[in-house]
Amino acid sequence: DQQVKQNSPSLSVQEGRISILNCDYTNSMFDYFLWYKKYPAEGPTFLISISSIKDKNEDGRFTVFLNKSAKHLSLHIVPSQPGDSAVYFCAATTMDSSYKLIFGSGTRLLVRP
Amino acid sequence: DVKVTQSSRYLVKRTGEKVFLECVQDMDHENMFWYRQDPGLGLRLIYFSYDVKMKEKGDIPEGYSVSREKKERFSLILESASTNQTSMYLCASSPLTGEIRDTFGSGTRLTVV
Repeated sequence: DQQVKQNSPSLSVQEGRISILNCDYTNSMFDYFLWYKKYPAEGPTFLISISSIKDKNEDGRFTVFLNKSAKHLSLHIVPSQPGDSAVYFCAATTMDSSYKLIFGSGTRLLVRP
Repeated sequence: DVKVTQSSRYLVKRTGEKVFLECVQDMDHENMFWYRQDPGLGLRLIYFSYDVKMKEKGDIPEGYSVSREKKERFSLILESASTNQTSMYLCASSPLTGEIRDTFGSGTRLTVV
């Protein structure tokens, strides 16, 4: 049973518009969430994270929103750029077992020029 | 920057062979992980280690073993490779304390024929 779900396998967005990637989780014990970006033939790279004590974290063009009651988080990319085209993974963990991340299945984002 | 190096980018092995995947990190991280990435399944944790000679099973340990004789090196072993172990293998490391943020290697694409 997947504890972290990314229900959209792919997303296509026009350059300059907003990209919204979604992630749902089932384990209410999760209290820390991360987004990773992965290009083909490379390892995932850390993008942004959020603790459950917050509902929003922003880093440049990237913002992560957390809705604990809905067990839902989303990554917003504004404005989207062609270089953002990649697979995005969300991950979750509990702070007391901080060495173990649970990943979603990923969403492939295509930003069209 | 933390660097996680995986010894091979591409490997082709025959069914039944014993396969070693090597991973080295250079930032004195306590935690090290082995994941496999398959389309539609995201990253799944095979094994992890939080100290030298310590190892813990992840979500899919069957058919694999690991070795951590030195802090900087974490090896994944396929005792008898099978075609269903064809996958992208990713190594990661993170510190035991501080910010939760796995750093990944570039991956090893293993094909078992």
